[in-house]
Amino acid sequence: DGGITQSPKYLFRKEGQNVTLSCEQNLNHDAMYWYRQDPGQGLRLIYYSQIVNDFQKGDIAEGYSVSREKKESFPLTVTSAQKNPTAFYLCASRGQGLGGVLETQYFGPGTRLLVL
Amino acid sequence: AQSVTQLDSQVPVFEEAPVELRCNYSSSVSVYLFWYVQYPNQGLQLLLKYLSGSTLVKGINGFEAEFNKSQTSFHLRKPSVHISDTAEYFCAVSGTSYGKLTFGQGTILTVHP
Repeated sequence: DGGITQSPKYLFRKEGQNVTLSCEQNLNHDAMYWYRQDPGQGLRLIYYSQIVNDFQKGDIAEGYSVSREKKESFPLTVTSAQKNPTAFYLCASRGQGLGGVLETQYFGPGTRLLVL
Repeated sequence: AQSVTQLDSQVPVFEEAPVELRCNYSSSVSVYLFWYVQYPNQGLQLLLKYLSGSTLVKGINGFEAEFNKSQTSFHLRKPSVHISDTAEYFCAVSGTSYGKLTFGQGTILTVHP
């Protein structure tokens, strides 16, 4: 069953703690993305990766870090520098289209991060 | 730079009535346009997309959207809604080679019996 999985579904962070959100896909997609969702603000791009061992900052990268050591995995770490981490985090992936066609982004089920 | 504006934050409607969710965008380059739906505490599911060709795009669950380049709009419509259509709907635009999506703020559609 192909798709994107995110874990955990809920995550609690204490002050000063780093936490890591998992994102795995078995769609053989090259590109992967992390978005943050806050009520009434839509989704904002945190980081993206177009290929293994390469990633770029999105619009709101401060306080976050990522790695892309494997094609199927793109974990996101929320560091203690992120002062307002409470949000719903969504991971997405996109295949490489033929002839420059833009393929659709598919989303995982999300992780809700709460601060204790 | 690109931006997306969803003109209504909330749209209440009665079951079996028609609905239109409005989306306007701005971009300096050619764009690809998308509508996604999100049910509570879930990820986003693609409803439909416009990449090129016919400006009337049909999607899943009976939804359709029309791309209007002169008005820079991509409004979503359904002729008869069901209770199960209650969800948040997001319009998004992409105009870059790396596929970054810029999202609108979302429209919460509530279908009443």
